[in-house]
Amino acid sequence: GQNIDQPTEMTATEGAIVQINCTYQTSGFNGLFWYQQHAGEAPTFLSYNVLDGLEEKGRFSSFLSRSKGYSYLLLKELQMKDSASYLCAVWAGGGADGLTFGKGTHLIIQP
Amino acid sequence: EAGVVQSPRYKIIEKKQPVAFWCNPISGHNTLYWYLQNLGQGPELLIRYENEEAVDDSQLPKDRFSAERLKGVDSTLKIQPAELGDSAVYLCASSSLASNEQFFGPGTRLTVL
Repeated sequence: GQNIDQPTEMTATEGAIVQINCTYQTSGFNGLFWYQQHAGEAPTFLSYNVLDGLEEKGRFSSFLSRSKGYSYLLLKELQMKDSASYLCAVWAGGGADGLTFGKGTHLIIQP
Repeated sequence: EAGVVQSPRYKIIEKKQPVAFWCNPISGHNTLYWYLQNLGQGPELLIRYENEEAVDDSQLPKDRFSAERLKGVDSTLKIQPAELGDSAVYLCASSSLASNEQFFGPGTRLTVL
């Protein structure tokens, strides 16, 4: 079976740094995605990790440890517009399979 | 580049009525996905198409749900008859063979009364 866990909700302060963790147990692994989803909108792609280590893209970074089944998304210099849900998703199969998503972490940014 | 287009954006129907959702993927994307997203949950895959072929429909409730992608481009997802528990957002996504990234449409929010 597939199991992806992430915190339900987190709160952080504007200008600060926040780390959103994700742990996964899946039957296969071909990569891990992070998506951002604002209320009432479609998920938008943030990052993709397939090898262990840190991928940095502007204010956002994503880390993967395949041996631990663990990833995190790091958001720096938080802005109010970063208030959204952050979805961790695993690409378990081969080819262009569908993604298995976690329930999402609702991030609230306070002034 | 135009993104994934879905229509309608919102649909309200009474239970036992039929409903259909339409999706136009990004031009050139061979793979098309339909996901269901309940409030406060992540999207769940319903069906995946490679061109016009449904290659993974194991999560599609086939007693009332059907989908088609006749010419390997646009796709339609149908529910007949709809039940109260079908109220959710139905997301369409597409991807190309050259990339792992799935691009999502804005979704159709279905309310069944």
